[in-house]
Amino acid sequence: TQLLEQSPQFLSIQEGENLTVYCNSSSVFSSLQWYRQEPGEGPVLLVTVVTGGEVKKLKRLTFQFGDARKDSSLHITAAQPGDTGLYLCAGGRGDYGGSQGNLIFGKGTKLSVKP
Amino acid sequence: EPEVTQTPSHQVTQMGQEVILRCVPISNHLYFYWYRQILGQKVEFLVSFYNNEISEKSEIFDDQFSVERPDGSNFTLKIRSTKLEDSAMYFCASSRTGGVSQPQHFGDGTRLSIL
Repeated sequence: TQLLEQSPQFLSIQEGENLTVYCNSSSVFSSLQWYRQEPGEGPVLLVTVVTGGEVKKLKRLTFQFGDARKDSSLHITAAQPGDTGLYLCAGGRGDYGGSQGNLIFGKGTKLSVKP
Repeated sequence: EPEVTQTPSHQVTQMGQEVILRCVPISNHLYFYWYRQILGQKVEFLVSFYNNEISEKSEIFDDQFSVERPDGSNFTLKIRSTKLEDSAMYFCASSRTGGVSQPQHFGDGTRLSIL
């Protein structure tokens, strides 16, 4: 069974601080997607990474896919209260180079940024 | 920006009754998915659908569940005889293709409450 473990589960920081959340597995994934979910809403896609070692930036958010495609990290620089939310990673199960298949989700990191 | 829409937002049903959850995927998308999220737990894959047939399903998706694309726009999930443990948020997602770099876009979900 493929599992994605996210850490930390909860994170409470002050505005302006930097943070990193992690998504780890013992299995290889064809892709890794990061979502943000607000209460009562569906996951909203932030980024998709596909290539081992890939780094993508989205304003103050930096996403990295591990070289072996088993882990990923999300780094937020100078966090703001608007960054508060649940951050989910999800691994694509399909064969590399082929179909993505279904997504396996982590339990998420609940981030709270205090002003 | 196009989005996945789901109706109803909340469905309350007596145990043993049939329910149909409806989704309108993004119009040029070809792959469709259902996921569920039991309160406090991770998002779990149920089924994927392509070219008018199921392409993959999880062990959760037993004979009580079925999916259908009755016309060119709707994608439905039917639970034939609901159980208490079916209470969850049900999310529909779609992607343009099944390729590894193609992200899955989620709707805001239907909260299903079984009494």
